[in-house]
Amino acid sequence: EAGVTQFPSHSVIEKGQTVTLRCDPISGHDNLYWYRRVMGKEIKFLLHFVKESKQDESGMPNNRFLAERTGGTYSTLKVQPAELEDSGVYFCASSQLLGGRQGLVAFFGQGTRLTVV
Amino acid sequence: RKEVEQDPGPFNVPEGATVAFNCTYSNSASQSFFWYRQDCRKEPKLLMSVYSSGNEDGRFTAQLNRASQYISLLIRDSKLSDSATYLCVVNMNSGNTPLVFGKGTRLSVIA
Repeated sequence: EAGVTQFPSHSVIEKGQTVTLRCDPISGHDNLYWYRRVMGKEIKFLLHFVKESKQDESGMPNNRFLAERTGGTYSTLKVQPAELEDSGVYFCASSQLLGGRQGLVAFFGQGTRLTVV
Repeated sequence: RKEVEQDPGPFNVPEGATVAFNCTYSNSASQSFFWYRQDCRKEPKLLMSVYSSGNEDGRFTAQLNRASQYISLLIRDSKLSDSATYLCVVNMNSGNTPLVFGKGTRLSVIA
């Protein structure tokens, strides 16, 4: 079974440019989460989709970040315009909707390393 | 105060040693607890869930103390392949809510 996949694995962009990150969750996983790790800090939650609906976007830093999950399958996270402090590793994770214990286990993608210069 | 606190390490131990990591969490309403492992430049991977009664998986033993809001991970007979960052992770509900991560504890097992 394919795991969570993210694209691209690395991105280097200039300040002010736009970048779109993509996440394909494990098939059948209704929960999709975006997290970010800034250098030297812990992994922090950005937002949570249940199917195509935003369940919780309390972790989004500001309105330069826009996430979508049209159709409840893959998700995109767009940063526009990018700033230097947006640099970090963006992880996507998915899990089954709680109905059993499996709902608690989140599987992570390999991450997108974003560098804004 | 951080929601999940861990000693960042690094812990440098010889092969075969026993090493213990500790973690504290601030929200007493937390419901689910995990240890994730993260290798350099890789994604976090679930190592084990932590249950109130304590649980063991091979060389790994996890303990939870709800009264003290404290979680531990014990690794016996360390292997070189155990070298990684160990992330203490808490979920505030038992449902589908997001995970809260500690900064991680780095372990290096030396030959």
